[in-house]
Amino acid sequence: KAGVTQTPRYLIKTRGQQVTLSCSPISGHRSVSWYQQTPGQGLQFLFEYFSETQRNKGNFPGRFSGRQFSNSRSEMNVSTLELGDSALYLCASSLTGDPSRPLRNEQFFGPGTRLTVL
Amino acid sequence: ELKVEQNPLFLSMQEGKNYTIYCNYSTTSDRLYWYRQDPGKSLESLFVLLSNGAVKQEGRLMASLDTKARLSTLHITAAVHDLSATYFCAVRAGTYKYIFGTGTRLKVLA
Repeated sequence: KAGVTQTPRYLIKTRGQQVTLSCSPISGHRSVSWYQQTPGQGLQFLFEYFSETQRNKGNFPGRFSGRQFSNSRSEMNVSTLELGDSALYLCASSLTGDPSRPLRNEQFFGPGTRLTVL
Repeated sequence: ELKVEQNPLFLSMQEGKNYTIYCNYSTTSDRLYWYRQDPGKSLESLFVLLSNGAVKQEGRLMASLDTKARLSTLHITAAVHDLSATYFCAVRAGTYKYIFGTGTRLKVLA
């Protein structure tokens, strides 16, 4: 069974540009979460999607947005990039994300997209 | 908001020794996860702890959860070099949202 895939794996952008990252969950998984990982702030939750609906979001500015398609694939977009947006962006998928069914809720992480903003 | 703290942040230990990583969280949560991350790699799930007193073991790693104390421990027995990695705990912080600890970077010296 293929794991979570993320594209691209590496990306270099300049300040002010925008970027779109893609995540394909494990087949059958319908929940996709996004995280930002930096040396200073650690792993921070961005948002979670299920059936094309955002169900929760973290404390990030509106420049960070996402969406999910009917096939459960997800994209996140960052507009007007800042130097501080340089990070490893991880997505994680789970079967349902249903908190009442924790074992079906276990998250599996993709390899990440390393974004560098110059 | 829920805060998750791990200690130590860095741990250098000799092969064959035992040590414990601690994960404290600030508000009630009903589950806790442990992950491993190798340099340049993604996160690998190690344990899911769902109830007070839960204990899970896999090889040289054993995780436990005390929901009353809001504390989880990851115990390493007779460490080997292959265990060198960064270990994260994560706590459910409301519906569909997880907060990660700061991570503990473990280095096992031969």
